[in-house]
Amino acid sequence: QSVLTQPPSASGTPGQRVTISCSGSSSNIGSNTVHWYQHLPGTAPKLLIFRNNQRPSGVPARFSGSRSGTSASLAISGLQSEDEADYYCAAWDDGPNGYVFGTGTRVTVL
Amino acid sequence: QITLKESGPTLVKPTQTLTLTCAFSGFSLSSSSEGAGWIRQPPGKALEWLALIYGNDDKRYSPSLTSRLSIAKDTSKKQVVLTLTNMDPVDTGTYYCVHYSGGYYFGWFDPWGQGTRVTVSS
Repeated sequence: QSVLTQPPSASGTPGQRVTISCSGSSSNIGSNTVHWYQHLPGTAPKLLIFRNNQRPSGVPARFSGSRSGTSASLAISGLQSEDEADYYCAAWDDGPNGYVFGTGTRVTVL
Repeated sequence: QITLKESGPTLVKPTQTLTLTCAFSGFSLSSSSEGAGWIRQPPGKALEWLALIYGNDDKRYSPSLTSRLSIAKDTSKKQVVLTLTNMDPVDTGTYYCVHYSGGYYFGWFDPWGQGTRVTVSS
């Protein structure tokens, strides 16, 4: 019962720009920062973006995040084959939900 | 370098209690600004946050599971333990231990343990 809504899939050819949306509400994205996680097949999820648009050390600059109102987005510029993964947005919810994840988006590199 | 490793049973019967242990290194879990938690992923489904324990022993639980969940830490052993009572087949999935940082209320989870698979079946 994910509180944050993402498109189930996104795709692009190598080098293209792909954008993933994340829709929430005033109690989560609207009032708290957004984080993004990358889940590569067969590995543990990894923090990709924190505080809406900050990249942890080691995350390539082609990954960028933004937040506006009750929505957020993750952009992958210069898509590469190793970017094929599931991507999840997440945020704290001021209501009863605690830490909430998005429904997840599978990115396919064509 | 922070590392976390989960351990526990791979198969649990319905109605039983699941106990998972996370052995961590690279942090002390004694500061209120950091914590450790658990997140799970049922097969083919999205990630779901379960619980978080701060260094000051404050705890937060998923509202949908709060009556069944318990989290505790043993800083001397560098372990965090999650218990989930009354297991059901819908609790089947991969359970991840995670490090929490970034502030008391609005932090994030990084890094994650490798995960441990739990199947609930009679």
